[in-house]
Amino acid sequence: GQQVMQIPQYQHVQEGEDFTTYCNSSTTLSNIQWYKQRPGGHPVFLIQLVKSGEVKKQKRLTFQFGEAKKNSSLHITATQTTDVGTYFCAGKGRRTALIFGKGTTLSVSS
Amino acid sequence: SQTIHQWPATLVQPVGSPLSLECTVEGTSNPNLYWYRQAAGRGLQLLFYSVGIGQISSEVPQNLSASRPQDRQFILSSKKLLLSDSGFYLCAWSVRGTGSYEQYFGPGTRLTVT
Repeated sequence: GQQVMQIPQYQHVQEGEDFTTYCNSSTTLSNIQWYKQRPGGHPVFLIQLVKSGEVKKQKRLTFQFGEAKKNSSLHITATQTTDVGTYFCAGKGRRTALIFGKGTTLSVSS
Repeated sequence: SQTIHQWPATLVQPVGSPLSLECTVEGTSNPNLYWYRQAAGRGLQLLFYSVGIGQISSEVPQNLSASRPQDRQFILSSKKLLLSDSGFYLCAWSVRGTGSYEQYFGPGTRLTVT
């Protein structure tokens, strides 16, 4: 079945360092979304990418959708302690429901 | 504006007891509705989704069932809880038919089966 793999599972960085999480799908996606879940909280929608090769930025966050629409990445520049949490990618294939990756948990030490 | 409610926030239940978790959405009509489970420190496992009243799709065989008695109400149930049913249960909704599939999550219910 359709799968979305996300790496790394965990990442620890020093405040100010950059961070990247990668998402790969076994099948072509119609779109991909990114969510952030703070510790103890619920996932919150960050962004949706639809077009092949699309790049979107939100302040220090840069999101990319691969040319083949099977992979995506989230890059955070100069991490801050407020960036801690788990970042999930979610792919939309043919089915109604999204397929979520297992998430990358980011910890930041000051 | 749209809001999504889940209750209770936390629940401790003995093995073998029944379960009923409720989710309601306000401020939108005909939403797609979803139930997810998240084990401690793990990813999101889709349990059920619904595209309309009485329409339920089950993603994994399990001890749970779902119902959608009203357009904006989604209920997760179990007749007899297992220890493995412990987890963080999240309800989510998305707009139907617009091509936008972003999901909005409720605050979740933390279930501990003892």
